[in-house]
Amino acid sequence: GDSVTQMEGPVTLSEEAFLTINCTYTATGYPSLFWYVQYPGEGLQLLLKATKADDKGSNKGFEATYRKETTSFHLEKGSVQVSDSAVYFCALSDLKGGGADGLTFGKGTHLIIQP
Amino acid sequence: KAGVTQTPRYLIKTRGQQVTLSCSPISGHRSVSWYQQTPGQGLQFLFEYFSETQRNKGNFPGRFSGRQFSNSRSEMNVSTLELGDSALYLCASSFRSFITETQYFGPGTRLLVL
Repeated sequence: GDSVTQMEGPVTLSEEAFLTINCTYTATGYPSLFWYVQYPGEGLQLLLKATKADDKGSNKGFEATYRKETTSFHLEKGSVQVSDSAVYFCALSDLKGGGADGLTFGKGTHLIIQP
Repeated sequence: KAGVTQTPRYLIKTRGQQVTLSCSPISGHRSVSWYQQTPGQGLQFLFEYFSETQRNKGNFPGRFSGRQFSNSRSEMNVSTLELGDSALYLCASSFRSFITETQYFGPGTRLLVL
């Protein structure tokens, strides 16, 4: 079945550091890929998405490129802020039997940014 | 535009009881999906409703059920609660039931089973 693998952390960085959170996936079809963020006590918010190979999703300084050849969708940000501290989820949505089968999520990466 | 709302936000139940959770999607959205989030299993897909029909179902026992009304509001029911059902239940809505559609999540209902 479909699966998403990402580092679980916690990942601790200093403010203004460069961020990379790795995400790789396994899918039977041709999935769409997403990054969601969850702040403490809240639901999930879409951060960015990509729906086909070589697409780059970007938002709020974060970006990720859909790499079909390496089945990856790594999240990057050039300079993190304390306010970026949250849990980040990589997810995919795959077409199976003619219908979407919900989002398949990774375990989540807890990011802590220190001032 | 108002976001996805879920009620109640917190619930405490005892084993064997049943519970009903409610989700109101973003206006105009016809697809509602439910997810269970636990520390051990992470986020897992429960089921999706589109235009009052269940389109997809995750790998959960029959104790978990749902429905969708004509105004797209959805309810999820869990019968004969078990301790392991303690979780954050998230509802998400989208305009269409389609793999490229962005799902918008509500704040969740935190269920504690004692």
